[in-house]
Amino acid sequence: EPEVTQTPSHQVTQMGQEVILRCVPISNHLYFYWYRQILGQKVEFLVSFYNNEISEKSEIFDDQFSVERPDGSNFTLKIRSTKLEDSAMYFCASVPEGHSYNEQFFGPGTRLTVL
Amino acid sequence: ILNVEQSPQSLHVQEGDSTNFTCSFPSSNFYALHWYRWETAKSPEALFVMTLNGDEKKKGRISATLNTKEGYSYLYIKGSQPEDSATYLCAFLPYNAGNMLTFGGGTRLMVKP
Repeated sequence: EPEVTQTPSHQVTQMGQEVILRCVPISNHLYFYWYRQILGQKVEFLVSFYNNEISEKSEIFDDQFSVERPDGSNFTLKIRSTKLEDSAMYFCASVPEGHSYNEQFFGPGTRLTVL
Repeated sequence: ILNVEQSPQSLHVQEGDSTNFTCSFPSSNFYALHWYRWETAKSPEALFVMTLNGDEKKKGRISATLNTKEGYSYLYIKGSQPEDSATYLCAFLPYNAGNMLTFGGGTRLMVKP
């Protein structure tokens, strides 16, 4: 069964460094999402992406964040200058076209630790 | 900011017990309510997408009900098994709010053999 994959599973970085989190959505899906969950808190929406552009973003998704689909298969989240409070589990999700109630297919997450 | 709450936060039950937990969400502007099952170190997996008031969905021993007028959904597990141990997340999707799911805090279920 096709699945969403994410790499790496765990990333440790120093504050101020740039990180790129990678996702490979299911191949015929057209809508892509990033979420995060800070330890002990709720899963939070960051951004949605369709047709090679951002369709929605939350207030968390500020200028430090960017997303890209560089090659038609990978979907990346970049954090330009990480802060301690960016430490979280980051989930990618995808949705096929025509799925009107937005049921999401999630990856297993990347745990980001900022020191 | 939408308020989606789940209770209890965690639950310990014995194998064979039946259990249920709650998701509450805004009663206005409802479009869909999702339930996901999230096992440690795995991807959250969709259980149900509920869209109509009075909806009842079932998958094996797990079922869910929906009351959009009062803003709650129940998830039931009949005869819990150790493999049901996971965090159960609900997520609310309002009408005309694009694609932004708002998640509850989850209920962490532990089933003891």
